[in-house]
Amino acid sequence: EIVLTQSPATLSLSPGERATLSCRASQSVSNYFAWYQQKPGQAPRLLIYDASNRATGIPARFSGSGSGTDFTLTISSLEPEDFALYYCQHRSNWPPVYTFGQGTKLEIK
Amino acid sequence: EVQLVESGGGLVQPGGSLRLSCAASGFTFSSYWMSWVRQAPGKGLEWVANIKQDGSEKYYVDSVKGRFTISRDNAVNSLYLQMNTLRAEDTAVYYCARGFMFRGAIGAFDIWGQGTMVTVSS
Repeated sequence: EIVLTQSPATLSLSPGERATLSCRASQSVSNYFAWYQQKPGQAPRLLIYDASNRATGIPARFSGSGSGTDFTLTISSLEPEDFALYYCQHRSNWPPVYTFGQGTKLEIK
Repeated sequence: EVQLVESGGGLVQPGGSLRLSCAASGFTFSSYWMSWVRQAPGKGLEWVANIKQDGSEKYYVDSVKGRFTISRDNAVNSLYLQMNTLRAEDTAVYYCARGFMFRGAIGAFDIWGQGTMVTVSS
C-alpha cells in the first residue's frame, strides 16, 4: 500500500511570497498524480493532474513537478484566495486504488 | 452548468444502513467513471469506491468492501452508495466526484459535489 506524506503540515507565508508544498510517496509511483485545493466548507478543487498539468481554469501561478517518489506543488506568488488546504493524490496502476496525502494547510503569516 | 448534488445523509445507529444519492447534470453522465470520496470531520480525504460508465466494473477501498455497494442509473443520471453495517469510523462528509481521464486511465477527480454528511452514532 502506497502512503503519501505531505510536508510541511502547516506553511505560514504572506501574500506575494512563493509557496512550495511537498508530497513524498512511500515507493516509486506512476504519474497518475494530482493536487487539490480545499477551502473551509467547500469541496476539493482539482488543480494539477499528471503531476504537472494545470486543470481547466487554474491560474498559471500554480505549477506541479516531480516523479518517482517526490512531487511538488508551487504557487509562484500567493494571492489572498490561495490560503487553503492542499492535498496530493495518486492512483495505483491496478487495481485502481486512489490514495490521498494528509494535507498541507497554507495559512496567512 | 456541470453539477453534482448529493443527498441521503443523516444520523444512523451503528450497524444500520443508509443509501446516498448523487444527481448529475450539465454533462453526459453515462460517459464518465464516477466515484465516492469521504472526509471524516477535521480529517483528510479518503477515496471510497468508483464505478465504470456502464456499471460493469466497481472498485472499493478495503475498509468498506463487503459493506458498501456503489451503483448507478444512467437513465436518470444518478450515482448511489448503499452503506450497510455502518460503523462510527464511517462518519464523514461523502462527496460524489467525476473521474478525470489522462494517460488512458482515470487518474483524478475533476468535478465534485458539495457533499452529504453521514453520522454513525448511538
